[in-house]
Amino acid sequence: EAGVAQSPRYKIIEKRQSVAFWCNPISGHATLYWYQQILGQGPKLLIQFQNNGVVDDSQLPKDRFSAERLKGVDSTLKIQPAKLEDSAVYLCASSLATLGTEAFFGQGTRLTVV
Amino acid sequence: AQSVTQLDSQVPVFEEAPVELRCNYSSSVSVYLFWYVQYPNQGLQLLLKYLSGSTLVESINGFEAEFNKSQTSFHLRKPSVHISDTAEYFCAVSERKAAGNKLTFGGGTRVLVKP
Repeated sequence: EAGVAQSPRYKIIEKRQSVAFWCNPISGHATLYWYQQILGQGPKLLIQFQNNGVVDDSQLPKDRFSAERLKGVDSTLKIQPAKLEDSAVYLCASSLATLGTEAFFGQGTRLTVV
Repeated sequence: AQSVTQLDSQVPVFEEAPVELRCNYSSSVSVYLFWYVQYPNQGLQLLLKYLSGSTLVESINGFEAEFNKSQTSFHLRKPSVHISDTAEYFCAVSERKAAGNKLTFGGGTRVLVKP
C-alpha cells in the first residue's frame, strides 16, 4: 500500500516569496491534515479536511496561509508571503473518517525561509 | 481544548536498560491516546494507541503504555532498549467526538540509546 506522498522534500525561499506544498493521501482516506512542526516542538494542526470540506482551520494563519483539497483527494498548502518564522517541517497526514483511527504521515517538506 | 505535556525533552539511556517517557494530558472531554515515533529523517509512525478496554496497551516492538485516568497520564515504557530505539517520541490525544481525529501533540521526547 502506498503511503502519504509529499513534495517537495526541501525548499529554501526568501522572505516575502510564496511557496506551495503538495500532498497525495492514502487512497480511500477521507480525512486529510496539514501540520506544522517547528524545530524542537511537536506538530501543530493547521487545517483538517473531510473529503473536500474544511473541518477545522482554527490555527491556520489565514492572512498568509491557504489550503485546498480539490475533488477530495490531493491537497496543496500555500504560503504567501512567507516570513522567517514559517521555517518548519510541513507534514501531511491522512486517515479514515472512523473515530480513533490511525493517522498516517508523509515524510514532510522542510521549509527554510531566509 | 486539549493540551499534552511531555515532561522530558531528552532521555539518554544505555542499551538494554529500561526507559520511561512521561506524558500528561488535559482535556474537558474524553480522549483517545497515542504514541507516535519519529526515526531520524523519517515521518511519524504510530507506535501504540489506547481507545478503550484494558488500560495497558502494547506495541509489537516491546513498548507498552498505561492509561491512568485519575492522573491523566499515558506514560510509555520499555524494559530493555536497543540502539534502534533511538528516535523522537510524541504523545498525542484526540477527542472522542464526531468532528474528526485531529491530534494534539506534546513537545516530544528525544531518546538517545548509548552502547
